[in-house]
Amino acid sequence: AQSVTQLDSQVPVFEEAPVELRCNYSSSVSVYLFWYVQYPNQGLQLLLKYLSGSTLVKGINGFEAEFNKSQTSFHLRKPSVHISDTAEYFCAVSEISTGNQFYFGTGTSLTVIP
Amino acid sequence: DVKVTQSSRYLVKRTGEKVFLECVQDMDHENMFWYRQDPGLGLRLIYFSYDVKMKEKGDIPEGYSVSREKKERFSLILESASTNQTSMYLCASSLQGAPSYEQYFGPGTRLTVT
Repeated sequence: AQSVTQLDSQVPVFEEAPVELRCNYSSSVSVYLFWYVQYPNQGLQLLLKYLSGSTLVKGINGFEAEFNKSQTSFHLRKPSVHISDTAEYFCAVSEISTGNQFYFGTGTSLTVIP
Repeated sequence: DVKVTQSSRYLVKRTGEKVFLECVQDMDHENMFWYRQDPGLGLRLIYFSYDVKMKEKGDIPEGYSVSREKKERFSLILESASTNQTSMYLCASSLQGAPSYEQYFGPGTRLTVT
């Protein structure tokens, strides 16, 4: 089974500052990678996904992520955060060969400070 | 837009009660999933189903069962609720056979067992 590590459980950042949320996974096999966002009292919403091709993936709300196969990482970045980005962020992995099951990280709580 | 709905946003039950959590999706997805979400633990898979009347155990199936009698509906059953089952429960769905397809989530049910 996959192991997905989100290295920071909480990240405070000032409004308009850049942010990076880190995600590493364990597998050496081919994977698909996802970032989800969860606003308070809501379900999860897809931010972006990496399936193949360019290692830099752009998502909604100005977020982007870079897939690094050698480091088995998929870090999420935004150059300038807004108050509305305050939320929980989850990294998820699925193995191409084994099917539909996702493996989620434990989440990173991003708090944007005015 | 894909819509995944869950029968209740908040639920309070007593220890020992039988509890049903219902999930319905409207996009003809083959796969459906039940997760529980706890602080610091992320999302953990309870059960999933890839077809009507089919089910597979996830990482934490103990104390739960599921039912999928129709393609659009996936029910999670707590046969005898216990306080350690107090949690947020999230339902998700996705297309069959393509792990590249993201999972779509419902808004969640926050269950409290007293």
